[in-house]
Amino acid sequence: DVKVTQSSRYLVKRTGEKVFLECVQDMDHENMFWYRQDPGLGLRLIYFSYDVKMKEKGDIPEGYSVSREKKERFSLILESASTNQTSMYLCASRLAGEPYEQYFGPGTRLTVT
Amino acid sequence: KQEVTQIPAALSVPEGENLVLNCSFTDSAIYNLQWFRQDPGKGLTSLLLIQSSQREQTSGRLNASLDKSSGRSTLYIAASQPGDSATYLCAVEGAQKLVFGQGTRLTINP
Repeated sequence: DVKVTQSSRYLVKRTGEKVFLECVQDMDHENMFWYRQDPGLGLRLIYFSYDVKMKEKGDIPEGYSVSREKKERFSLILESASTNQTSMYLCASRLAGEPYEQYFGPGTRLTVT
Repeated sequence: KQEVTQIPAALSVPEGENLVLNCSFTDSAIYNLQWFRQDPGKGLTSLLLIQSSQREQTSGRLNASLDKSSGRSTLYIAASQPGDSATYLCAVEGAQKLVFGQGTRLTINP
């Protein structure tokens, strides 16, 4: 079974803090993704990575950056957290190529106060 | 810009009924369509993936169909059970990115 894990299920941070969200997958998947999910807005893609050290902006990259130094790990960084970044953050991974399913982690509920 | 719509937003049915969830999309140039299930406060679980060249996929009591030309997909759930209660999301893929619908919140009443 594919396993995608995220470093925290719940996280509370203060405005202005630098926040790291970690995602690890154990199936040697090339592609990894970060989404945020908000009521009424659904899931929106923040960043994705085709492979190690590669990254592409998604639909809402502002205020975020990412890092992929190893194939199994994809980090989302909030450089200076703001209250409007309070959300559920979901990581996903999959093999390269369109016919393959995306597999999601359990999510991190981030609250910025 | 691709838009994905799921109607209804919520559905409540008695246990044992067969039901259909609907998904429509505006741009038929898709690579595949994926159906997910999400339990409250949890991540997404992949249910079925239909490639653009396929018409349907089946897994157990679930059957998903795809009509690219009309921009529609349906998820059929047979003999529904209380454990099927969850939010069901469809997502279409183009240019290596998934675009999600808002989901249908399904409640199966015992």
